Amino acid sequence: EVQLVQSGAEVKKPGESLKISCKDPGYSFTTYWIGWVRQMPGKGLEWMGIIYPSDSDTRYSPSFQGQVTISADRSISTAYLQWSSLKASDTAIYYCASGSGNSFDFWGQGTLVTVSS
Amino acid sequence: QSVLTQPPSVSAAPGQKVTISCSGSSSNIGNNYVSWYRQLPGTAPKLLIYDNNKRPSGIPNRFSGSKSGTSATLGITGLQTGDEADYYCGTWDSSLSAGYVFGTGTKVTVL
Repeated sequence: EVQLVQSGAEVKKPGESLKISCKDPGYSFTTYWIGWVRQMPGKGLEWMGIIYPSDSDTRYSPSFQGQVTISADRSISTAYLQWSSLKASDTAIYYCASGSGNSFDFWGQGTLVTVSS
Repeated sequence: QSVLTQPPSVSAAPGQKVTISCSGSSSNIGNNYVSWYRQLPGTAPKLLIYDNNKRPSGIPNRFSGSKSGTSATLGITGLQTGDEADYYCGTWDSSLSAGYVFGTGTKVTVL
């Protein structure tokens, strides 16, 4: 079973940059895709985008295109989500999740990002 | 806002059955497989149903899924207090804003 381990909680100021990670300690990192999902406080799930680590093909939700960057390092089985300039409205829990078909099969534990001056 | 509509809440007594609907369109549910996720309070979502009606290993047969046209339904029988959670449907959307879409979410309360 795939187990995704995400980096720890972050507290940042508006305008700062941030890169959070999602590691798969297993051996099948390049056989599926990794997606990122945002959950703002008290709200539902929002799909941000996905990456196929095998070739780094990346797709973004129109809502997040240009706002974040998704990347992956196959050599260490890790996917990333990064911001160049955070806003207070980026405060949320961010989940990574993996899948090989039509669903998000396995989820990370989530990373809480708090952006506050 | 989400393109998949779910009722905000459903409730029933322990042992009873609840159903949660998920309404979409031909660009999403109508032409793609539907999944269902459960999010217990303070935890990450977990896959309950995939490909409309399949259960991953370890998910009890109290949970069932179905799809008809542009709508899908999740059923939970033998309701337990541990089933109190938020439930989300999800599917791919092949419209111009292609990507994965989640439903608005439904809070299940066990009375």
